[in-house]
Amino acid sequence: GAVVSQHPSRVICKSGTSVKIECRSLDFQATTMFWYRQFPKKSLMLMATSNEGSKATYEQGVEKDKFLINHASLTLSTLTVTSAHPEDSSFYICSARVARLAGVLGEQFFGPGTRLTVL
Amino acid sequence: AQKVTQAQTEISVVEKEDVTLDCVYETRDTTYYLFWYKQPPSGELVFLIRRNSFDEQNEISGRYSWNFQKSTSSFNFTITASQVVDSAVYFCALSENNFNKFYFGSGTKLNVKP
Repeated sequence: GAVVSQHPSRVICKSGTSVKIECRSLDFQATTMFWYRQFPKKSLMLMATSNEGSKATYEQGVEKDKFLINHASLTLSTLTVTSAHPEDSSFYICSARVARLAGVLGEQFFGPGTRLTVL
Repeated sequence: AQKVTQAQTEISVVEKEDVTLDCVYETRDTTYYLFWYKQPPSGELVFLIRRNSFDEQNEISGRYSWNFQKSTSSFNFTITASQVVDSAVYFCALSENNFNKFYFGSGTKLNVKP
């Protein structure tokens, strides 16, 4: 099956620093990747949609300058939390959508998530 | 607008009991997909099932079964003879036809006590 990895799985950083989270599709090409955020005991909320080679589309209320997304290749998207603050502490999950092929639906597959703690 | 409602915030059962997790959805699309995911304490989403809007057949997989009823816009999930390892948060989700967006319910936390 399709596998999506995230790195790192956990990160603790000081307030004011920037943190980069990588999302990789390991055995398939993903023209589109998605970034979700999940607060403790809450549901997943879509932050942005990332298309390879173009600018990300952010959901309403998500600061694009704070959450920088780069989708440089068909297997890698990165989310950079700039000047992180304690309120950015959350669980970040990416997903990758399989590029459409004949007979294959473009389904999303989720990564294992990255737990960010900002002190 | 798309919306998924999981009215049960938390459910506690004793091992071997059957438990049903409710999911009600709203969509204007005629073609859509419904999903159930399990999220254990580790956080990773574990895919359980996908159903498209044209397939209303109920499905059984081991102790898990799903009841999809378009007439009531519901996609309920039943665990038979629950086990402690079933303890997790379960999310129901709705996806557009092109899998462009997922709409997650708020999740139901299932506690299975020995």
